[in-house]
Amino acid sequence: GNSVTQMEGPVTLSEEAFLTINCTYTATGYPSLFWYVQYPGEGLQLLLKATKADDKGSNKGFEATYRKETTSFHLEKGSVQVSDSAVYFCALIDPGNYGQNFVFGPGTRLSVLP
Amino acid sequence: DADVTQTPRNRITKTGKRIMLECSQTKGHDRMYWYRQDPGLGLRLIYYSFDVKDINKGEISDGYSVSRQAQAKFSLSLESAIPNQTALYFCATSDPGLAGVQQETQYFGPGTRLLVL
Repeated sequence: GNSVTQMEGPVTLSEEAFLTINCTYTATGYPSLFWYVQYPGEGLQLLLKATKADDKGSNKGFEATYRKETTSFHLEKGSVQVSDSAVYFCALIDPGNYGQNFVFGPGTRLSVLP
Repeated sequence: DADVTQTPRNRITKTGKRIMLECSQTKGHDRMYWYRQDPGLGLRLIYYSFDVKDINKGEISDGYSVSRQAQAKFSLSLESAIPNQTALYFCATSDPGLAGVQQETQYFGPGTRLLVL
């Protein structure tokens, strides 16, 4: 079946540090890939997405590139801020898997210190 | 106003009690979902509904039931709550729209934190 694996957290960085959160996936079809972010006390919200190989999703300074050859979708940001502290979820949707479309990774907690 | 709302936001109950969590949305989406979130396990799908007449079990439906009262409302019930149902519960909606499933995005409510004693 489909699955998403993320690097284990928590990740603690100083402000302005470079961020990478690794994500790899297993899918039988041709999935779309997503990063969702969950700020404290809130629900998940879409951060960025990519729908085909070599696509790059970007938003709020975050980027991730859909790498089919390595089945990866790593999240990066060049300079994190305290306000980026949150839990980040990698996810996929497999259009060929009716009903069980969305699969989420376990989440990676990021803490950014001033 | 929030597009996806959940009530209550927090609930404490005792083992064996029946409780209902409610979800309402104003996004006009046909598809609605219930997930639970546990530390280190991410989100796991409990039930989903692709329209008012369509209800499907997710990966962890045992001990739960749902009701889709209208396009905008999707309720989750715990018939007899047990302590290992203590978790954070999220409702979500989605709509593939004209772009199709490949572009589908889920929209989440703020969550209900449930504690079963």
